[in-house]
Amino acid sequence: SAVISQKPSRDICQRGTSLTIQCQVDSQVTMMFWYRQQPGQSLTLIATANQGSEATYESGFVIDKFPISRPNLTFSTLTVSNMSPEDSSIYLCSVEDPFSGALYGYTFGSGTRLTVV
Amino acid sequence: GQQLNQSPQSMFIQEGEDVSMNCTSSSIFNTWLWYKQDPGEGPVLLIALYKAGELTSNGRLTAQFGITRKDSFLNISASIPSDVGIYFCAGQPPNSNYQLIWGAGTKLIIKP
Repeated sequence: SAVISQKPSRDICQRGTSLTIQCQVDSQVTMMFWYRQQPGQSLTLIATANQGSEATYESGFVIDKFPISRPNLTFSTLTVSNMSPEDSSIYLCSVEDPFSGALYGYTFGSGTRLTVV
Repeated sequence: GQQLNQSPQSMFIQEGEDVSMNCTSSSIFNTWLWYKQDPGEGPVLLIALYKAGELTSNGRLTAQFGITRKDSFLNISASIPSDVGIYFCAGQPPNSNYQLIWGAGTKLIIKP
């Protein structure tokens, strides 16, 4: 399966600052996604990162708060802007894995555990 | 929007016991997926189901796509300590190219 490197693995940030999370894939993939997982909760899709165009955001998420870049088919970044304690979550990068052998067999990075103080 | 009800929320079992968990919805899904998440890691795909009534195994894991397309179950036989983790079901709604709806998860804990 595709191998995803997500950085940083964790961070503690001051409120009002921004953090950029990187997602690097070892193969070219069409679909890349960013999820949020609040403590003890399920996964919520933030947006789909589209190569060469703006990201597609889900209801409740906006570009000003979560700007996303997708400069090529192996890399994406998610920025959490003007952070507040409510943004404390695990942020996960996911790709539609061409090597999984399964339709919708999405592969996930290890996640970024963000704590805002 | 569509929602998935996953149960139980958590399970305390003895090593060697069989485990069963399920997801239900009031709406139909085209695909059912089962993932496992270990602490500090992202979810890992266990089993994917694409047809109503489909029964698929992956080692000690067995999952089925409900005949009504509104439910799925996952069974784990003869549990071992490494089965500990959180299991998520996810469903792909009709008319969705890539979006998945996720269950709330079942936390599996093995009693020493």
